[in-house]
Amino acid sequence: GQSLEQPSEVTAVEGAIVQINCTYQTSGFYGLSWYQQHDGGAPTFLSYNGLDGLEETGRFSSFLSRSDSYGYLLLQELQMKDSASYFCAVREDTNAGKSTFGDGTTLTVKP
Amino acid sequence: DAGVIQSPRHEVTEMGQEVTLRCKPISGHDYLFWYRQTMMRGLELLIYFNNNVPIDDSGMPEDRFSAKMPNASFSTLKIQPSEPRDSAVYFCASSRSEGDTQYFGPGTRLTVL
Repeated sequence: GQSLEQPSEVTAVEGAIVQINCTYQTSGFYGLSWYQQHDGGAPTFLSYNGLDGLEETGRFSSFLSRSDSYGYLLLQELQMKDSASYFCAVREDTNAGKSTFGDGTTLTVKP
Repeated sequence: DAGVIQSPRHEVTEMGQEVTLRCKPISGHDYLFWYRQTMMRGLELLIYFNNNVPIDDSGMPEDRFSAKMPNASFSTLKIQPSEPRDSAVYFCASSRSEGDTQYFGPGTRLTVL
């Protein structure tokens, strides 16, 4: 099986930078994805890491270290609209169509 | 593209009734996923299909739950009989290929009284 750990809550101010960590344990590993979900909405894809290193998409970046079973999502120049839940999700190499989601991190951005 | 379409958006039913949730994936997507989200258990994968064939149903909670995909543009998730503990938001998602980005529908909020 697999398990993922991420902080339950993070608070930051507008304009700041915040990092949301995700550690995972899995019998096999294919890749790590990040999703955003606003309250009452559906999860939407943000970023994916299949290899070690940093992936940058605008204000959002995601990092992966396969040797450490660790990744993070970095959000820069925070805006009020970034207040949402953020989920990391692991794909197993034996079942790459399947993703297991973490419990999510609720980010609150304050003015 | 219209995105993943789910119906109904809200469903309120009484314990013991049959519930059918519907999903239309994005055209051209070969993979379809059913998830359930609750505060207690988070986002759980129930079952997923590849080219209309169920690949992994290990997340289906019990025999009361069943899912079908009769063609590439339609899938159903049925709960019979429904119980209050089935109350949750059920999401359908689709992806173009294995491991590709999953696109989620708006979800069906199910309340079983």
